[in-house]
Amino acid sequence: QVQLVQSGAEVKTPGASVKVSCKTSGYTFIAYGITWVRQAPGQGLEWMGWITDYSGNTNYAQRLQGRVTMTTDTSTSTAYMELRGLRSDDTAMYYCSRAVWYGSGWYSDYWGQGTLVTVSS
Amino acid sequence: EIVLTQSPGTLSLSSGERATLSCRASQSVSSSNLAWYQQRPGQAPRLLIYGASNRATGIPDRFSGSGFGTDFTLTISRLEPVDFAVYYCQQYGSSPYTFGQGTKLEIK
Repeated sequence: QVQLVQSGAEVKTPGASVKVSCKTSGYTFIAYGITWVRQAPGQGLEWMGWITDYSGNTNYAQRLQGRVTMTTDTSTSTAYMELRGLRSDDTAMYYCSRAVWYGSGWYSDYWGQGTLVTVSS
Repeated sequence: EIVLTQSPGTLSLSSGERATLSCRASQSVSSSNLAWYQQRPGQAPRLLIYGASNRATGIPDRFSGSGFGTDFTLTISRLEPVDFAVYYCQQYGSSPYTFGQGTKLEIK
């Protein structure tokens, strides 16, 4: 069955970087994309961007441009999301999801369990 | 950026009742590029509907989606206790992809 298993919770100080991993299984990794979404405590969902597994093309949310990098390792079917220059408002649950191309974009059909990133001095 | 506005913010209903959730876009969204997700407390979102009206794998047929242009609807025909959760619509046709702010479906 399709599974996405994310790395564990992180606590970081302001200005630091965090790299979250998302290990996938149960499907052909390069046939889909990976989307990252975050959710601040008590808030709604915020789209961060996607990466296509087969070509490594990326599309990031404008407000995160310059601070976020999404990558994949096809040899281990793992996706990564690195966020730099952390601020307190980056405190959130970070989710990876399998992205399916439909129409003219990617929707998310399977989700990881989430990784809580806390930014605090 | 396409802004999605969901209404109502909170919907209070009883099990067995019908729920109608609205998602309105600030500009036209292709029907192929509208999804609905359910999120229960402490859990990751779960895909319900993609392409405005296509049920995802394993989703019961009491969930249905409809709409086009700027107005989309998620309908739950007969509420069950497990359906009380937060629901989000998302457009994925125009970057940045955006989510609505959510509708909380609570037990009356």
